[in-house]
Amino acid sequence: RKEVEQDPGPFNVPEGATVAFNCTYSNSASQSFFWYRQDCRKEPKLLMSVYSSGNEDGRFTAQLNRASQYISLLIRDSKLSDSATYLCVVNRDDKIIFGKGTRLHILP
Amino acid sequence: DVKVTQSSRYLVKRTGEKVFLECVQDMDHENMFWYRQDPGLGLRLIYFSYDVKMKEKGDIPEGYSVSREKKERFSLILESASTNQTSMYLCASSTGQEGAKLFFGSGTQLSVL
Repeated sequence: RKEVEQDPGPFNVPEGATVAFNCTYSNSASQSFFWYRQDCRKEPKLLMSVYSSGNEDGRFTAQLNRASQYISLLIRDSKLSDSATYLCVVNRDDKIIFGKGTRLHILP
Repeated sequence: DVKVTQSSRYLVKRTGEKVFLECVQDMDHENMFWYRQDPGLGLRLIYFSYDVKMKEKGDIPEGYSVSREKKERFSLILESASTNQTSMYLCASSTGQEGAKLFFGSGTQLSVL
């Protein structure tokens, strides 16, 4: 079983809709969690950290469920510019583990 | 803004050549990383460094070496390039305190013919 797993998608979502995707991790000792965004042919960029209590940044909400070992990202009122690949990242003992990403296409 | 600069955006080399990929960061970050990214395989860690003159193997170090003589510069060396090293190479840096918050360079697309 891979340590970090994501549905590769693509998720095709109409503009203005709400979309959510999850990322599961296998090691309960994982300590910190992040979402990165990668546009086509560009480098990954940190989107947001994921805190135990859940956190929000504008239209983006990230949540952590330690009991079920997953993190989630919810995007409200999606924009065309949200089209990208979203990478889940887990940090365990200073090891940084990337998921393979979920592709999101926002449709006009 | 943190800037991580990779020396070339595109590079074409021949099999057997020695290839140097350079990465420079301007934010005095302790940690530096080299990844490669291939379709369907995601990001894979080649080497990383937590300090000057220090290096650690990542998940796929075979066929690569690195050099970190100065804090701001982390070089990836392909000793004898092979076609299976054709890939997108991404350099990243982070602070010692927030090691998993990576800042990436824009990548080098290397083609080995």
